[in-house]
Amino acid sequence: EVQLLESGGGFVQPGGSLRLSCAASGFTFSSFAMTWVRQAPGKGLEWVSSISGNGGYKYYADSVKGRSAISRDNSMNTLSLQINSLRTEDTAVYYCAKEKSTWGDNWFEAWGQGTLVTVSS
Amino acid sequence: EIVMTQSPATLSVSPGERATLSCRASQSVSSTLAWYQQKPGQAPRLLIYGASTRATGIPARFSGSGSGTEFTLTISSLQSEDFAVYYCQQYTDWPLTFGGGTKVEIK
Repeated sequence: EVQLLESGGGFVQPGGSLRLSCAASGFTFSSFAMTWVRQAPGKGLEWVSSISGNGGYKYYADSVKGRSAISRDNSMNTLSLQINSLRTEDTAVYYCAKEKSTWGDNWFEAWGQGTLVTVSS
Repeated sequence: EIVMTQSPATLSVSPGERATLSCRASQSVSSTLAWYQQKPGQAPRLLIYGASTRATGIPARFSGSGSGTEFTLTISSLQSEDFAVYYCQQYTDWPLTFGGGTKVEIK
């Protein structure tokens, strides 16, 4: 059974940094692209960043480009998202999601339960 | 950026009735469209990909159709567990984008 468990969320002041992690199990992690999607309170879904199975391809939403970094450790089955210079508009539940293949099938067939990031002074 | 527009924002339907949800893309996305269901306090769940292919374990009452810029998700006979918010998502180009969602509520 595919399991995705996010961690690292919490309360942070504007301008601060956070590193989110997603522990994956139940599948061959290195064979699948992974993605972060976020959802602000009471709002819809927003794609944040994706990374290919071998880590060679990375894409970012404009809203986080230049102040975030997606990475993966295929030996530890872990996906990460570092976000710097946090803004109040980054407040959201952050989900990690598994894609269908190593790259190119950019829909999300499994999701974690999410980790809440609150940016406030 | 490809803008995805869903309508209506809210759909009131009685159990057992058919629900038809629409999703429109600002430019053609061919058949690279997925649908998700999200219930309160839960993560989204994949329903449909490739515009019309049901994901594993999704009941046959869910069906997707369309291509290009116009897409439809149909729930043939609404069950109590189907009342939720539904999102479409295009994956033809970066950035990947979602529609704003349609909330299906009990009439």
